[in-house]
Amino acid sequence: ILNVEQSPQSLHVQEGDSTNFTCSFPSSNFYALHWYRWETAKSPEALFVMTLNGDEKKKGRISATLNTKEGYSYLYIKGSQPEDSATYLCAFSSNAGNMLTFGGGTRLMVKP
Amino acid sequence: DTAVSQTPKYLVTQMGNDKSIKCEQNLGHDTMYWYKQDSKKFLKIMFSYNNKELIINETVPNRFSPKSPDKAHLNLHINSLELGDSAVYFCASSQEIYVETQYFGPGTRLLVL
Repeated sequence: ILNVEQSPQSLHVQEGDSTNFTCSFPSSNFYALHWYRWETAKSPEALFVMTLNGDEKKKGRISATLNTKEGYSYLYIKGSQPEDSATYLCAFSSNAGNMLTFGGGTRLMVKP
Repeated sequence: DTAVSQTPKYLVTQMGNDKSIKCEQNLGHDTMYWYKQDSKKFLKIMFSYNNKELIINETVPNRFSPKSPDKAHLNLHINSLELGDSAVYFCASSQEIYVETQYFGPGTRLLVL
């Protein structure tokens, strides 16, 4: 069983605050790390797929970093907006052919 | 155009029945998946299907079976439905297995009475 843990479980911030969350995964046999954004009553929407140690990806105000040697990835949101309110999921795959294991998500609520 | 579509959106049925959920993707992807969102809201993979190769999560009961008539479709058949099968089921697709972005369908909410 692969453990993928996300912290914090939930987060309340004010509009304009910058925030970040963590995804921890097994550091051995790394293959890929995914980040998804999941709004209530919708389906998960892809943000990033990261495969190389030291990868940094950016999409608008959202960015992510990856450290495969120590087994963690950070997701950053700069200047949070109410529309950023969602659950952010990370998912880990070890070696080709292994299943994608999702973390429990970080639920972000941005207050206007 | 919807990239990944699922039907039905809602399914209410009696225990013991057999039902199917259909999934279609128009993205030209080679790999499709089925996920179950469990009672704790976790997403757990059930199956992945890539170039006629089926990879099964060993925890999935054999009452669940995916069927792929062609590359654009991966349907989920469930036999002898049980109360514990009530969940939201998501279909997804990607170009390559596990290293590329997965595109999710809208989900099918199954309620077994």
